[in-house]
Amino acid sequence: DAGVIQSPRHEVTEMGQEVTLRCKPISGHNSLFWYRQTMMRGLELLIYFNNNVPIDDSGMPEDRFSAKMPNASFSTLKIQPSEPRDSAVYFCASSLVEGQFFGPGTRLTVL
Amino acid sequence: GQQVMQIPQYQHVQEGEDFTTYCNSSTTLSNIQWYKQRPGGHPVFLIQLVKSGEVKKQKRLTFQFGEAKKNSSLHITATQTTDVGTYFCAAEGNRDDKIIFGKGTRLHILP
Repeated sequence: DAGVIQSPRHEVTEMGQEVTLRCKPISGHNSLFWYRQTMMRGLELLIYFNNNVPIDDSGMPEDRFSAKMPNASFSTLKIQPSEPRDSAVYFCASSLVEGQFFGPGTRLTVL
Repeated sequence: GQQVMQIPQYQHVQEGEDFTTYCNSSTTLSNIQWYKQRPGGHPVFLIQLVKSGEVKKQKRLTFQFGEAKKNSSLHITATQTTDVGTYFCAAEGNRDDKIIFGKGTRLHILP
């Protein structure tokens, strides 16, 4: 099993640009989570899906952030427009019964 | 809302010494999970505790869930350099499926 796959691994962009992060969960897992991690704020849950349906998006910072899960094997997190304060590591995780399995993360730098 | 407090924030120990991190919730929990994140890596699921007073062991790691299901601890016996990293607890409340991560305890081992 390849585990959770995220792309890109690193993204450097300029303020105002659109950023799309991608995630492929572990096959068979029915829950998917998007997290943001920074030194100051720690690990924050942004949104999670169950069976492709968004269940709780209360962690999404503002309208500039949006997430979709068009099918069981793919999800995106989009930031438009991006701002320097969005710089962080974004993790995707999936789960089935017990525990969440994290991807390697996308390190986003917004200049 | 549900909050999860984790202490200490940082811990420096001499190699071979024991280490303990504590996780406390303001509300009764459905279950609690523990994760380890190596520097530059992603969180890795270690274990889930469900039952009141439950104790589980993984080699040198001992996990406990409090009788009231509001607190938990992770104890490492005779630390090794491979134990370096940040240890997170993640709590799931009784009312919903949302999992809240603690801020983590960063463990540094002195050789």
